[in-house]
Amino acid sequence: DTGVSQNPRHKITKRGQNVTFRCDPISEHNRLYWYRQTLGQGPEFLTYFQNEAQLEKSRLLSDRFSAERPKGSFSTLEIQRTEQGDSAMYLCASSSRDNWTQYFGPGTRLLVL
Amino acid sequence: AQTVTQSQPEMSVQEAETVTLSCTYDTSESDYYLFWYKQPPSRQMILVIRQEAYKQQNATENRFSVNFQKAAKSFSLKISDSQLGDAAMYFCACFISGSARQLTFGSGTQLTVLP
Repeated sequence: DTGVSQNPRHKITKRGQNVTFRCDPISEHNRLYWYRQTLGQGPEFLTYFQNEAQLEKSRLLSDRFSAERPKGSFSTLEIQRTEQGDSAMYLCASSSRDNWTQYFGPGTRLLVL
Repeated sequence: AQTVTQSQPEMSVQEAETVTLSCTYDTSESDYYLFWYKQPPSRQMILVIRQEAYKQQNATENRFSVNFQKAAKSFSLKISDSQLGDAAMYFCACFISGSARQLTFGSGTQLTVLP
């Protein structure tokens, strides 16, 4: 069990650029979650997949945010036309089909200049 | 929608002593789970302990235990024999299995362990 992995760990970009983050869940975990965490705050839920189906996306912060999980394994989170307010830590978590406990990855820290 | 409140932004404890972190939550659901997560300065979120709402017995994991008061919607974390490695931000979280299936987090308590 290698745990949840996320890449890249750090990303610096200029305002207006698009960025994409990747999350690889724990193998055989069918549920995958994305969260955003700003400094000094608890994580904020963004979206949730069960296998390849995105079952909840109403919490995505704007239409600039999108996520995919095409084959029910890894997932990507894309932010288009980044803004300085998008600077945050983006966390991914996964859970198994018979246990709701979520296990988190190390996160991707995004800085928008 | 559920809410989670941690009223202690910062706490400190002497090494080897016991400390209790407070958490209250609010939900109208009957089927839910409560968690404590720890986030050290490296920022990897680590599961500390989990409590199913339908279980009356308080969960325990080694030096970590909870005091789950369902009627009061209170879920405190007790850390016994505190160690320097326990220093971290601690988050309380609530999960409703029947709805959006998201974890709702509190704002966290920063725990300092004094040598």
